[in-house]
Amino acid sequence: AQTVTQSQPEMSVQEAETVTLSCTYDTSESDYYLFWYKQPPSRQMILVIRQEAYKQQNATENRFSVNFQKAAKSFSLKISDSQLGDAAMYFCAYRSAYYEAGGGADGLTFGKGTHLIIQP
Amino acid sequence: NAGVTQTPKFQVLKTGQSMTLQCAQDMNHEYMSWYRQDPGMGLRLIHYSVGAGITDQGEVPNGYNVSRSTTEDFPLRLLSAAPSQTSVYFCASSYSRGTNYGYTFGSGTRLTVV
Repeated sequence: AQTVTQSQPEMSVQEAETVTLSCTYDTSESDYYLFWYKQPPSRQMILVIRQEAYKQQNATENRFSVNFQKAAKSFSLKISDSQLGDAAMYFCAYRSAYYEAGGGADGLTFGKGTHLIIQP
Repeated sequence: NAGVTQTPKFQVLKTGQSMTLQCAQDMNHEYMSWYRQDPGMGLRLIHYSVGAGITDQGEVPNGYNVSRSTTEDFPLRLLSAAPSQTSVYFCASSYSRGTNYGYTFGSGTRLTVV
C-alpha cells in the first residue's frame, strides 16, 4: 500500500512572498500520478496541479509549480506571489496508474494536509 | 453541467439508523470513489468503482456499502450508524487514468451520529 506524508501541519507566509509545501510518498510502483488539492474554508476540494511520474518535467500552473524528485519520492508545491485567496488546507495525493493494466487499486491516497496561512 | 452532486449537505442520525448518501455526476466519468475526512486525518478512501457494476473496497470500508448500477450514480449506504462514523463525506469522479485527469469532488456531506 502507498503512503503519503506531509510533515508540515501548518505554514505561514507573508502576502506576495513564496512558500513551499512538502510532500513525500512511499510506493513500490514505477508509474503513478501525484496531485495537490486545495481545500478552502468552504470545504470544496479544488485540484491545483498534477504530475505524471514518467514525465521528467515539473508541472506548472500559473503561480503554482512542483518540484518532483522521483528517486527521492518527493513532490513539493511552490506557491509564488502568495495571495490572500491562497489561504487554505493543501493536500498531497497519490493515484496508482496500474489498475487499467489489471493490477493495483484505484482512488486517491492523501496526506494529512498542511494549513497555509497568508499574512497580509 | 453540474459536475459531482452530493445530497444531503448535512445530516444528523441516531445510533443504529441507516441512511444513503447520494452521489451523481453528469460528466460520463468511469471512475468514482467515496472518502471520509476527519480532523487531522486527511481524506481516507472508503470504496471506489471503475465502472457500472464494478466496486471495490478502499482503506476504511467497514460499516459502509456501495453499488454502481449506472455510470452516473454511486450511492454510499451506512448500514447501522455509529458515532465513529461522524465525519465529512466526499464523493469524487474521474475519467480513465490514461488521460491523467485528477478526481473532481462534490461539495461534501457533513454527517453527525448521536
